[in-house]
Amino acid sequence: KNQVEQSPQSLIILEGKNCTLQCNYTVSPFSNLRWYKQDTGRGPVSLTIMTFSENTKSNGRYTATLDADTKQSSLHITASQLSDSASYICVVRRIHTGTASKLTFGTGTRLQVTL
Amino acid sequence: DAGITQSPRYKITETGRQVTLMCHQTWSHSYMFWYRQDLGHGLRLIYYSAAADITDKGEVPDGYVVSRSKTENFPLTLESATRSQTSVYFCASSEGRALDEQYFGPGTRLTVT
Repeated sequence: KNQVEQSPQSLIILEGKNCTLQCNYTVSPFSNLRWYKQDTGRGPVSLTIMTFSENTKSNGRYTATLDADTKQSSLHITASQLSDSASYICVVRRIHTGTASKLTFGTGTRLQVTL
Repeated sequence: DAGITQSPRYKITETGRQVTLMCHQTWSHSYMFWYRQDLGHGLRLIYYSAAADITDKGEVPDGYVVSRSKTENFPLTLESATRSQTSVYFCASSEGRALDEQYFGPGTRLTVT
């Protein structure tokens, strides 16, 4: 079964600290993996996309990694800010034929950054 | 303004009533999607559309109806609302290619009493 599991479910960190969020997946055959940020009361917004051949990609203070062999991805947030408080959702797309959307969403990690 | 909008943002309805949630996008994206988001579950696909007049079921389509007469609009109808349909509903759009991002609307919080 195609699944995406994220850990931890929730996390509280002090402003300025770093943190790492994990995503393990069993989706196959793999196409790409995307990390979304979802602020409270809003829709998800893409942070970065990882394809099979990419190991690391940065977007400002966000750095995503992908190990396609172990089917794991991580999102590292550096020097956290209060505005980083949100849910972070890992979404894996599988290669498919036809027109059906083949995305599997994780349940997200809820991050709270405090003073 | 360009983007993807949903209306209403909040809705309370009674069991058995028909409810329609609206979604409008200004990018002329081919694909549009409806998801529901519930605690303990990832976003789950209800229906999607690859183009005007082309729709298909997603993971959890029972109790929902969609139509797409125009590229920019993709309404979702709950024909006879049930309490289990209490959820936050998100509409999204994309060009549909494998590397394309899905752009999400702000969501509609629906409560069925």
